[in-house]
Amino acid sequence: DQQVKQNSPSLSVQEGRISILNCDYTNSMFDYFLWYKKYPAEGPTFLISISSIKDKNEDGRFTVFLNKSAKHLSLHIVPSQPGDSAVYFCAAKVAGGTSYGKLTFGQGTILTVHP
Amino acid sequence: EPEVTQTPSHQVTQMGQEVILRCVPISNHLYFYWYRQILGQKVEFLVSFYNNEISEKSEIFDDQFSVERPDGSNFTLKIRSTKLEDSAMYFCAARRWGVGQPQHFGDGTRLSIL
Repeated sequence: DQQVKQNSPSLSVQEGRISILNCDYTNSMFDYFLWYKKYPAEGPTFLISISSIKDKNEDGRFTVFLNKSAKHLSLHIVPSQPGDSAVYFCAAKVAGGTSYGKLTFGQGTILTVHP
Repeated sequence: EPEVTQTPSHQVTQMGQEVILRCVPISNHLYFYWYRQILGQKVEFLVSFYNNEISEKSEIFDDQFSVERPDGSNFTLKIRSTKLEDSAMYFCAARRWGVGQPQHFGDGTRLSIL
C-alpha cells in the first residue's frame, strides 16, 4: 500500500534551524491530513492537521503546508529543538461518506536535532 | 491522564494460543480503532468500531480477529489462534465526534508469538 509515502527515512538538523519533513500521496479521495510524532516505546502523538480546503495550518513552531495539485504536504518545525527528535508520521484519511476515519500512514521519517 | 491506555505493554504467547489485547479510552470518545505495526513496516489499519459494531475492517482483519466493547469502557482485540506473523506492535486509537477530531493513540502492546 503506497498511497502515502515519506521518501526520506531520516533527517538530521542543527538545533535552532528549520526542519522540513515531506509527504506525498496518491489517493485523490484523501481530504484530511495529519502529522504524528512518535518516541520509542510510546504511541503516535497527534501534532497538527490540515483539511484539503486549506493550504496552510500553523500551531506554534509547527506549520503544515498542503499542495493539492502536487499531492504533497510538508511539516515545518522552526526553530528545531533536541526534544523534537522522534519519528514523524504523515497520515491521511477520507472524510465523510462510509469512512469512519481510518488513517493511512506513511513509513515515517526519523528526525534528529543536534544541539 | 492519557487519552487511551493499553494493557499489557508486552505479551508473549505460544503460536496457536488465543490472546486478548485491552484498551481503555477516556470517556466521550465515540470512535475506536486498532492498528498494528510489524517491525520495520508501516502502521496499518485493522478495524474501526462505532456504535457497538464494526464500521470498517481491512483485509488483515480476518476471521481470527474480533473486537468488542463489553462494558462500555474497555475495547478489546482478540486473536483466536495466533500465528508467528501476528508478532507486531498493536495500537488502539480513539477519537471524539467531529470531522476535525484527531485519533489519539495508546502506547501500544508489543505482541511476541513464539
